[in-house]
Amino acid sequence: DQQVKQNSPSLSVQEGRISILNCDYTNSMFDYFLWYKKYPAEGPTFLISISSIKDKNEDGRFTVFLNKSAKHLSLHIVPSQPGDSAVYFCAASGFRGAQKLVFGQGTRLTINP
Amino acid sequence: DTEVTQTPKHLVMGMTNKKSLKCEQHMGHRAMYWYKQKAKKPPELMFVYSYEKLSINESVPSRFSPECPNSSLLNLHLHALQPEDSALYLCASGRVGAGNEQFFGPGTRLTVL
Repeated sequence: DQQVKQNSPSLSVQEGRISILNCDYTNSMFDYFLWYKKYPAEGPTFLISISSIKDKNEDGRFTVFLNKSAKHLSLHIVPSQPGDSAVYFCAASGFRGAQKLVFGQGTRLTINP
Repeated sequence: DTEVTQTPKHLVMGMTNKKSLKCEQHMGHRAMYWYKQKAKKPPELMFVYSYEKLSINESVPSRFSPECPNSSLLNLHLHALQPEDSALYLCASGRVGAGNEQFFGPGTRLTVL
């Protein structure tokens, strides 16, 4: 049972445009959501998080939107840069630390010049 | 220091060997984690330590034995592994309190022959 789903295995975006990565979840007990970026042969890098009491969180070029009623979150990257090419994972958990992160399958983002 | 470090970077071992993976963080985090990642898959949780005590074991086989000697160090002892245990082993650390951001190390690439 896949509790966190990223339905797009890959996404290709032109440099300078907006990249939108999507994630759906099924477990209504999740109340903390995170996005990670991963390059090959490296550990995931934390990008941005959002708790279920918010619907938007911004950090520089990255914005995460949460729609609790639809159990859907998205990551917007504006403007997209070549260095953003990587695999992006969304993850979900309870609000407090020392809990399991449940990851989606990942979306490979390619930024074209 | 905002890094999680892991040693060794690569490890090749036979099925009868005993080896250990090491992880260190100096961010004052009191939660530490071991995840396993197979190729083209998301990270999967193995163990969680909270305040140096094992709090979550995701039904991991006993050939994997974690240890948390102090609040900065986390080890994973390996014995009698199988070829299907070959994977990237990731260590992470984070807060125990509000917000479950987890910060990952670069991983150890393990090959079992």
